[in-house]
Amino acid sequence: AQSVAQPEDQVNVAEGNPLTVKCTYSVSGNPYLFWYVQYPNRGLQFLLKYITGDNLVKGSYGFEAEFNKSQTSFHLKKPSALVSDSALYFCAVRPSYGQNFVFGPGTRLSVLP
Amino acid sequence: GAVVSQHPSWVICKSGTSVKIECRSLDFQATTMFWYRQFPKQSLMLMATSNEGSKATYEQGVEKDKFLINHASLTLSTLTVTSAHPEDSSFYICSATETGAYEQYFGPGTRLTVT
Repeated sequence: AQSVAQPEDQVNVAEGNPLTVKCTYSVSGNPYLFWYVQYPNRGLQFLLKYITGDNLVKGSYGFEAEFNKSQTSFHLKKPSALVSDSALYFCAVRPSYGQNFVFGPGTRLSVLP
Repeated sequence: GAVVSQHPSWVICKSGTSVKIECRSLDFQATTMFWYRQFPKQSLMLMATSNEGSKATYEQGVEKDKFLINHASLTLSTLTVTSAHPEDSSFYICSATETGAYEQYFGPGTRLTVT
């Protein structure tokens, strides 16, 4: 079965420190990978995607993610966290172009001032 | 670009009534639209997928007669919750894709409370 795991329910980081939100997936083939962020009572905002090419992709608000095919991971990173980055982050995988997304359970990021 | 709107943003209705939620793509043509349901502190649960002019494809366990989806045009999809019950109270989110795009663009969500 296709699945996406976000092993940490909660990540706490001090403002100014680097942050990592982890994502691993179990999908056959060469899936497309995404990160979304959700603020309270809002829909999901697209952050970045990996389709093909360079394993390090850069996205909105200074976020980046590194695709690692051998480890089937797509961790989200940011060099210096802001308090305003505190939100719920979802990793998503699209197994192939014609298929629906599979979402991870979400990781709540808290950036402490 | 790629903005999706939802209306209303929140609605309270009485048990037994029906509620319609609209999802619009404002600056692109949405060949496919998706409806999700999200419970507190949980991930998104896909309810159905709809293509313009076609019947929606419902996920297993989703009652198609209760959650009516219409994708009448390339910019508008509606979700009608019929004969709503308190257990239908939830956060409903739509998303849309356009031809050739890989990502989905999400609306801001609709909070439904059934009393």
